[in-house]
Amino acid sequence: AQSVTQLDSQVPVFEEAPVELRCNYSSSVSVYLFWYVQYPNQGLQLLLKYLSGSTLVESINGFEAEFNKSQTSFHLRKPSVHISDTAEYFCAVSVMRVGGRAGGTSYGKLTFGQGTILTVHP
Amino acid sequence: DAGITQSPRHKVTETGTPVTLRCHQTENHRYMYWYRQDPGHGLRLIHYSYGVKDTDKGEVSDGYSVSRSKTEDFLLTLESATSSQTSVYFCAISEGGGTDTQYFGPGTRLTVL
Repeated sequence: AQSVTQLDSQVPVFEEAPVELRCNYSSSVSVYLFWYVQYPNQGLQLLLKYLSGSTLVESINGFEAEFNKSQTSFHLRKPSVHISDTAEYFCAVSVMRVGGRAGGTSYGKLTFGQGTILTVHP
Repeated sequence: DAGITQSPRHKVTETGTPVTLRCHQTENHRYMYWYRQDPGHGLRLIHYSYGVKDTDKGEVSDGYSVSRSKTEDFLLTLESATSSQTSVYFCAISEGGGTDTQYFGPGTRLTVL
């Protein structure tokens, strides 16, 4: 089974300050990693994902996340936040397909963390 | 935006009554999912479907059933609603599993009195 821990339930920051949202995961098999964002009263939308290759992945709106296999982490960062970044952020994992076979009955399912509410103050 | 609608968007019901939530997609995606969102728990998978009439349980499936008779519709049924099922329910779709992005609907807020 997989589990995801987001270490901070709320992160308040001032506009233009840097921010880091922390995510650690636990899994007995290799996983894909995702960050989703939920703006108020909306559904979730994908922010970025790590599948393979470069361990640093970027989104179109300035966020980046780095996969650290030894620390089983996938922290999300932004060097300068805007008011419009205020939202709840969710880290998630899904089981990697191995050798052409699905990763058992867990393949295709997302396991989410508890969420981190980022509030950007003017 | 992915074409996903959920109905109803809001519902208030009483304990013991049956409730059915509907998810409809226009993307012809193979996978469909039902999640519930509760404060402090993030999103938890209830059931998912990997094709017409092919469904499987998630981590919080007790008290819920699903059906998928057409590619575009995925129904979630609470046979006898309880107050612990008060939550926001999200449907999601993806073209395939694993690496594919899941696209989420707008959610249904269900209150069980």
